Amino acid sequence: IAGITQAPTSQILAAGRRMTLRCTQDMRHNAMYWYRQDLGLGLRLIHYSNTAGTTGKGEVPDGYSVSRANTDDFPLTLASAVPSQTSVYFCASSRGSDNEQFFGPGTRLTVL
Amino acid sequence: GQNIDQPTEMTATEGAIVQINCTYQTSGFNGLFWYQQHAGEAPTFLSYNVLDGLEEKGRFSSFLSRSKGYSYLLLKELQMKDSASYLCAVLDSNYQLIWGAGTKLIIKP
Repeated sequence: IAGITQAPTSQILAAGRRMTLRCTQDMRHNAMYWYRQDLGLGLRLIHYSNTAGTTGKGEVPDGYSVSRANTDDFPLTLASAVPSQTSVYFCASSRGSDNEQFFGPGTRLTVL
Repeated sequence: GQNIDQPTEMTATEGAIVQINCTYQTSGFNGLFWYQQHAGEAPTFLSYNVLDGLEEKGRFSSFLSRSKGYSYLLLKELQMKDSASYLCAVLDSNYQLIWGAGTKLIIKP
């Protein structure tokens, strides 16, 4: 692994289903983030983690949960997907909260 | 509320210079970032300004005026590969990045 990876690349999901988006980084970065990007809007922060074992809510956390059991992994879970969660999801990491963020390739999620 | 404003779209000619402006109103300021995002790809880091003035990096330069809540990204000697969206983001008092919607730059030959 080089950098930050996300899985799956894309997914079509029925409303009401549970879904986990995976994110892994091998840069030993302390901070990790989940964003969603919708057409015409800026990236919006869903949840973040400043260090392993801690998480925090961003601008749009409702309907999403995260965990940070170790430095490398930061999965995002949609407990019961709704169509408004159709979006492109980006995971990012940074050495610290005031450093540049490195982004994964994104997951394109469609909820029908 | 927090707000980042940038033009939605700009068009420029290959070989020319273009300036993309960004104005911001945020709760606190701990730096301003510019990212480039090609269509269908992830954003990639271009520049970071925390003090007033101009930071130059090759063909790209970024300027910051904290008193005016203003930044610009200057791209020189434009190439076709510079066609992309350019995202302005401000690190607020909670050290969270607040993102603008991005400026789509179209380069014409």
